[in-house]
Amino acid sequence: GAGVSQTPSNKVTEKGKYVELRCDPISGHTALYWYRQSLGQGPEFLIYFQGTGAADDSGLPNDRFFAVRPEGSVSTLKIQRTERGDSAVYLCASSLDSGEQYFGPGTRLTVT
Amino acid sequence: AQSVTQLGSHVSVSEGALVLLRCNYSSSVPPYLFWYVQYPNQGLQLLLKYTTGATLVKGINGFEAEFKKSETSFHLTKPSAHMSDAAEYFCAVSDQGGAQKLVFGQGTRLTINP
Repeated sequence: GAGVSQTPSNKVTEKGKYVELRCDPISGHTALYWYRQSLGQGPEFLIYFQGTGAADDSGLPNDRFFAVRPEGSVSTLKIQRTERGDSAVYLCASSLDSGEQYFGPGTRLTVT
Repeated sequence: AQSVTQLGSHVSVSEGALVLLRCNYSSSVPPYLFWYVQYPNQGLQLLLKYTTGATLVKGINGFEAEFKKSETSFHLTKPSAHMSDAAEYFCAVSDQGGAQKLVFGQGTRLTINP
């Protein structure tokens, strides 16, 4: 069966530009998570959706970061006015209500 | 707040030798504990998890981990390393498991020497 997919796999953008990263969760999974993994570090939590609503957005670093999940399936992470420090691998995971989180392969974002 | 400390950012063992990757956690509530593996250019894969019950947990690929509350530890072991075990390993904690955020350690890169 299909796992979590993320597009694009790689994104290079210039400082100050706007980017969108997409996550397609496993079909039927109600929970969706975004994490960010900087080089040499473990993943850091950004935001968690239960259905369409953000249940916990405490990990978003500042108001340049925003995520949506309008129909309770696909999610988009949006970053405005990108900075070089935003360069990282952005990971998406999905799960059933009380189950294991399944991770996608990630989107590698490079801000030049 | 929860936190995870993985002792040793790099561990190197010979093929056939014991693998021991250390993880200590901090949590104000009973934790759920996880070990994930990340192969190059692949997503994180769950190796094993502890929620409640038996403190010795067996996972995939011959790995196991033991939850020791008194030591706040959840070390990962495998009796005999294979070349295919070379990867990055992450320990993680959540406070209620399931639909809750994971807090990860910084990772341990495991190298297997022939």
